Amino acid sequence: NAGVTQTPKFQVLKTGQSMTLQCAQDMNHNSMYWYRQDPGMGLRLIYYSASEGTTDKGEVPNGYNVSRLNKREFSLRLESAAPSQTSVYFCASSRQGTVGDQPQHFGDGTRLSIL
Amino acid sequence: SQKIEQNSEALNIQEGKTATLTCNYTNYSPAYLQWYRQDPGRGPVFLLLIRENEKEKRKERLKVTFDTTLKQSLFHITASQPADSATYLCALDVTGGFKTIFGAGTRLFVKA
Repeated sequence: NAGVTQTPKFQVLKTGQSMTLQCAQDMNHNSMYWYRQDPGMGLRLIYYSASEGTTDKGEVPNGYNVSRLNKREFSLRLESAAPSQTSVYFCASSRQGTVGDQPQHFGDGTRLSIL
Repeated sequence: SQKIEQNSEALNIQEGKTATLTCNYTNYSPAYLQWYRQDPGRGPVFLLLIRENEKEKRKERLKVTFDTTLKQSLFHITASQPADSATYLCALDVTGGFKTIFGAGTRLFVKA
């Protein structure tokens, strides 16, 4: 059982390039999330999808777009990468996000560097 | 402003001792508080959840307390082992459930 799978694991981009980070979960979860993690800071929510067909902004959505392709897959797109977007990106899923007692299951992250 | 604080300094303890990590929050009234473990190069892994009406929760060598008056949660690992060395994150829900706010984490080192 793979859980949450993120691709790629590492990526280096030049400023202005675009890129899509992929995420898939095999736990039949309804809700999915994208976070970024920077040194000394907590995970910050970029976008989330409460259920298939819906997406909403989190705390730091600027410069990103998302697509909930189906129940399993939730992608994050950087249209024009900037050095400030250098970070580790985590995808997570939960059975149902409408109640705060649902643990989140995380992938192992994509380490993204923008030069 | 709303804030979660975890001790940014690493905690170093000897094997066999009890590790105690602190999570303080301000301007929140969470109904749930969660603890996660994160190893280097890996994503966080869920450990325990405690509800606002629960004072204490245990799972094997782990114990979590939740004091809504002090706005604080304590996370204890008893009989600590070198394999417990990791970063521990606390997280709490903001009204609506979708916004789970994470602390920056505390790094724990357990020496043999």
